[in-house]
Amino acid sequence: DTVLTQSPALAVSPGERVTISCRASESVSTRMHWYQQKPGQQPKLLIYGASSLESGVPARFSGSGSGTDFTLTIDPVEPNDTATYFCQQSWNDPWTFGGGTKLELK
Amino acid sequence: AVQLVESGGGLVQPKESLKISCAASGFTFSNAAMYWVRQAPGKGLEWVARIRTKPNNYATYYADSVKGRFTISRDDSKSMVYLQMDNLTTEDTAMYYCTAIAAMGRFAYWGQGTLVTVSS
Repeated sequence: DTVLTQSPALAVSPGERVTISCRASESVSTRMHWYQQKPGQQPKLLIYGASSLESGVPARFSGSGSGTDFTLTIDPVEPNDTATYFCQQSWNDPWTFGGGTKLELK
Repeated sequence: AVQLVESGGGLVQPKESLKISCAASGFTFSNAAMYWVRQAPGKGLEWVARIRTKPNNYATYYADSVKGRFTISRDDSKSMVYLQMDNLTTEDTAMYYCTAIAAMGRFAYWGQGTLVTVSS
C-alpha cells in the first residue's frame, strides 16, 4: 500500500504562512487531496488533484506538488484554522490517507 | 445540497454483528460509487469498503483489515448504502463515515458519522 507520511503537529501564529507536507512512498501523480477536520466534525475537502481549490474553500488555502512530495499552504493563517489536516491519494489501490498534521495556533 | 446521514451505530460485544446505514440525498445516487471510511478514537482515517454502480455490476472492495467480515451493499431505489459488520473486534471501534466521491477520487461529501463501539 502507498504510505503517506505527514509531520504530526505544527504551531504557528495567526497571520503567518504555514506549509504542511505529505510525502508518498511511491508516485501518486497529482492524485493527492487535502482535508481539514475540526474536533467532533467530519473531514472537509479543501484541495483536490494536488492544487485545485474545492468550491467554497477560501483562497487562503493552496496546494502544490506531484509524484511523491506535496504541500498544503495556508496564507495567512486564521484562528479558525485550528484543526487536523489529512492528505489522501487516489492514484494507487487501495486509496490511503496520511496520519494527519495537527495545526495549533500560538 | 448533498446530504449523507448515517445511523445504526452503538455498543456491541466482541464477535457480535451490527449493520449501519447511510441515507443519501441531493445527488443522483445511482450514478455514485459509495464508500465507508472509519476513524478510531484519536486516530487517522481508514478506507473500509467501496461499492460501485450498477453499470459496474455493483462491484465491492474491502480493506484487508475487514475483508471477510464486512459487507457493503446499496439500494438505489432508496438511495441507501449499508455496511454489515460481522465478528466485530475491539479494533473495529471507530466513527464510521459514509462518503461519496467526485472526480479524481476525492472524497467530496461526508456524513456526520455513526459511532461503533466494540467492548465487553
